[in-house]
Amino acid sequence: ETGVTQTPRHLVMGMTNKKSLKCEQHLGHNAMYWYKQSAKKPLELMFVYSLEERVENNSVPSRFSPECPNSSHLFLHLHTLQPEDSALYLCASSRRASDTQYFGPGTRLTVL
Amino acid sequence: SQQGEEDPQALSIQEGENATMNCSYKTSINNLQWYRQNSGRGLVHLILIRSNEREKHSGRLRVTLDTSKKSSSLLITASRAADTASYFCATGPRVDSSYKLIFGSGTRLLVRP
Repeated sequence: ETGVTQTPRHLVMGMTNKKSLKCEQHLGHNAMYWYKQSAKKPLELMFVYSLEERVENNSVPSRFSPECPNSSHLFLHLHTLQPEDSALYLCASSRRASDTQYFGPGTRLTVL
Repeated sequence: SQQGEEDPQALSIQEGENATMNCSYKTSINNLQWYRQNSGRGLVHLILIRSNEREKHSGRLRVTLDTSKKSSSLLITASRAADTASYFCATGPRVDSSYKLIFGSGTRLLVRP
């Protein structure tokens, strides 16, 4: 266990659904991250939050909406997704910039 | 352009053999990290080497860094079937405030029993 948990572990949703992914870290870290991992593509950084403030937003479509209510919790709100959004969504945390990142187990998302 | 690129893309070895994976990158870095991922799971940090270090060891892992060639290698000695996984290098850019780690595409390692 890395100290980073993600729920749900698997999610199947239709294109008109609204769902949320949750990430929680118990490491006292200041930064949290969302990554997307698609088959045969490098890990794509989506969002970074530092001390609850968004510091990176890598041109992610607006159908993905992050929320960081406190330094331990990170959400990714999903709405009107496309089938190509099907992927493994990974959450990570780190103590500070460029530091070791600790990953959660991921949420396997399938969009029908 | 992609910062970290691993080579080879896939590697198949017999248990007990050594496995070597290479990573090349393009820009100046603060550190380089190696991660491991079992199929469909999260990444696990293996080792971090700073730009002023040349070699680092952790158990059966040995990492080298050559900043003049912008390359790194990960050596796993006396491999085991449980080492079967994908291995990624990730570079931390030389910008103190940057949180961004750039991951490569990974090397898929298969260790045959």
